[in-house]
Amino acid sequence: AQSVTQLGSHVSVSEGALVLLRCNYSSSVPPYLFWYVQYPNQGLQLLLKYTTGATLVKGINGFEAEFKKSETSFHLTKPSAHMSDAAEYFCAVIHGSSNTGKLIFGQGTTLQVKP
Amino acid sequence: DTGVSQDPRHKITKRGQNVTFRCDPISEHNRLYWYRQTLGQGPEFLTYFQNEAQLEKSRLLSDRFSAERPKGSFSTLEIQRTEQGDSAMYLCASSFENSPLHFGNGTRLTVT
Repeated sequence: AQSVTQLGSHVSVSEGALVLLRCNYSSSVPPYLFWYVQYPNQGLQLLLKYTTGATLVKGINGFEAEFKKSETSFHLTKPSAHMSDAAEYFCAVIHGSSNTGKLIFGQGTTLQVKP
Repeated sequence: DTGVSQDPRHKITKRGQNVTFRCDPISEHNRLYWYRQTLGQGPEFLTYFQNEAQLEKSRLLSDRFSAERPKGSFSTLEIQRTEQGDSAMYLCASSFENSPLHFGNGTRLTVT
């Protein structure tokens, strides 16, 4: 069965600093991995995804993530944090057969950006 | 692409009452998902439709919960005899085949 663990429920960075949000997955089959962002009282917006191919994937708003099979990780990074990046971030994996499209989410990481 | 629309945005109800939520997916999307999100947690899968067929239901979906997608377009999620533990954000998402899920803004349910 697939599962996702996000290390650190809260991360605080200064504006302009590096953002690193950690995600480790467990999957018995090659995973499809996703990062979503959620602003208060809104739904989830896709930041980026990994399915196959290049292991470094670039997303919207300057975010990127690298799939590392040996470490079962899919950490999210951004070189320079902006105040507008403050939000909840969720890592997710496709559950079971990729034909269902059903996502399994981690518990989320709240990113705080200090001026 | 007008996005996934959910109605209402907020619902306050008394324990024991029935509530119904509606989701309108992106028009060309054949798959529709319902998730539940409680405070400080990630979304948890509830159920999934491909066109009008409900293909999977989570064990989280007790017999008080029922979801329909009668014509393969909009969907409704009904909760009967609501309990305080049902208080959560109910999220709807849609996709076309294996494309990434697009989420609505959710319906926040408060059971008093």
